[in-house]
Amino acid sequence: AQSVTQLDSHVSVSEGTPVLLRCNYSSSYSPSLFWYVQHPNKGLQLLLKYTSAATLVKGINGFEAEFKKSETSFHLTKPSAHMSDAAEYFCVVSMGTYKYIFGTGTRLKVLA
Amino acid sequence: GAGVSQSPSNKVTEKGKDVELRCDPISGHTALYWYRQSLGQGLEFLIYFQGNSAPDKSGLPSDRFSAERTGGSVSTLTIQRTQQEDSAVYLCASSFGAAGVGTDTQYFGPGTRLTVL
Repeated sequence: AQSVTQLDSHVSVSEGTPVLLRCNYSSSYSPSLFWYVQHPNKGLQLLLKYTSAATLVKGINGFEAEFKKSETSFHLTKPSAHMSDAAEYFCVVSMGTYKYIFGTGTRLKVLA
Repeated sequence: GAGVSQSPSNKVTEKGKDVELRCDPISGHTALYWYRQSLGQGLEFLIYFQGNSAPDKSGLPSDRFSAERTGGSVSTLTIQRTQQEDSAVYLCASSFGAAGVGTDTQYFGPGTRLTVL
């Protein structure tokens, strides 16, 4: 069975410092992986996705993630945090079907 | 163009009453998904539609929950005899639903916050 684990429920960073949000997945097959962001009182929005092409995926707003099969990880990074990055982030795995498995989310706080 | 819309945005109901939640997907999207988001939890898959058909209803928590989609467009999620544990945000998403549906980008609505007193 497939599953996804977001290792940190809360992450705090100072503005201008790097962001690292961790995600590990469990899958018997080659998965598709996604990161979505949910700003307060707004709908979820796709940040980036991996679908078996390049392992380093670039997304919107300067975010990127690297698919590491050997580590079963898909961590989300950004070189320099901005106040507007404060939100909840969800890692999602799909086995190529309609079933998308969401992690429990990581709430990112950006300190001025 | 217009995104996914959901109505109502907020619904407060009394235990035992029935509620209907509506989702209007993006025009042309054949795939439609319902999720439930409880406080501090990830999104729980409820049901998926491809066109008007729901090939997998196994995510529905109980037989009090049902959903339909008509005309390959609007979908309604109905909860009968609501219970307090049904309180959550119900999210709808749509996608193109092409052959590689597992790689689809899902577009989410703003959700309906359901409170059962």
